[in-house]
Amino acid sequence: NAGVTQTPKFRILKIGQSMTLQCAQDMNHNYMYWYRQDPGMGLKLIYYSVGAGITDKGEVPNGYNVSRSTTEDFPLRLELAAPSQTSVYFCASSYSSLLDTQYFGPGTRLTVL
Amino acid sequence: AQSVAQPEDQVNVAEGNPLTVKCTYSVSGNPYLFWYVQYPNRGLQFLLKYITGDNLVKGSYGFEAEFNKSQTSFHLKKPSALVSDSALYFCAVRDENAGNMLTFGGGTRLMVKP
Repeated sequence: NAGVTQTPKFRILKIGQSMTLQCAQDMNHNYMYWYRQDPGMGLKLIYYSVGAGITDKGEVPNGYNVSRSTTEDFPLRLELAAPSQTSVYFCASSYSSLLDTQYFGPGTRLTVL
Repeated sequence: AQSVAQPEDQVNVAEGNPLTVKCTYSVSGNPYLFWYVQYPNRGLQFLLKYITGDNLVKGSYGFEAEFNKSQTSFHLKKPSALVSDSALYFCAVRDENAGNMLTFGGGTRLMVKP
């Protein structure tokens, strides 16, 4: 199993550009999450999904959108990139609930200039 | 609201010595507590969790943590540190009354010196 995969690994965006961060898992997990990690800070939850077709906001959803059309994929969309969105983005998944172990992808380092 | 604090930005310990990484939390209901470790340029990896039951929880790589309800703490410990334990450690909490969200602490960098 590949686990949780994320693409791209690095990206530089200009202010106002848009992009999609890809996340996929091959563990048949129902729950998937997007976090951002700012320097010296813990992870902040952006959005999460409890199954295909079901998503909900986390702690810091503004400026982002998600969709979950399949169990495997959970892309994160940035519509109008802003410098405040410069961060490392982690996707994670867990089997059936928030109490389950979360498995993290390797992260995407995004810089908005 | 749920919150978690890791009061030390960095912990330094010599190889072979015991280590402790501190975590305190605040919740309104019962807490669910987790420790994750992050190695450079990698995603977080699960170490251990406390949901219910025995206050002493054993996890991966020889780590353990003790849930102390009266002190609202969940400190991570290991009897004998290895250089390879050097990494960033995150404590996380979920309040049973707070819905589907984990709150992570700011992280503690553990440096184990030979």
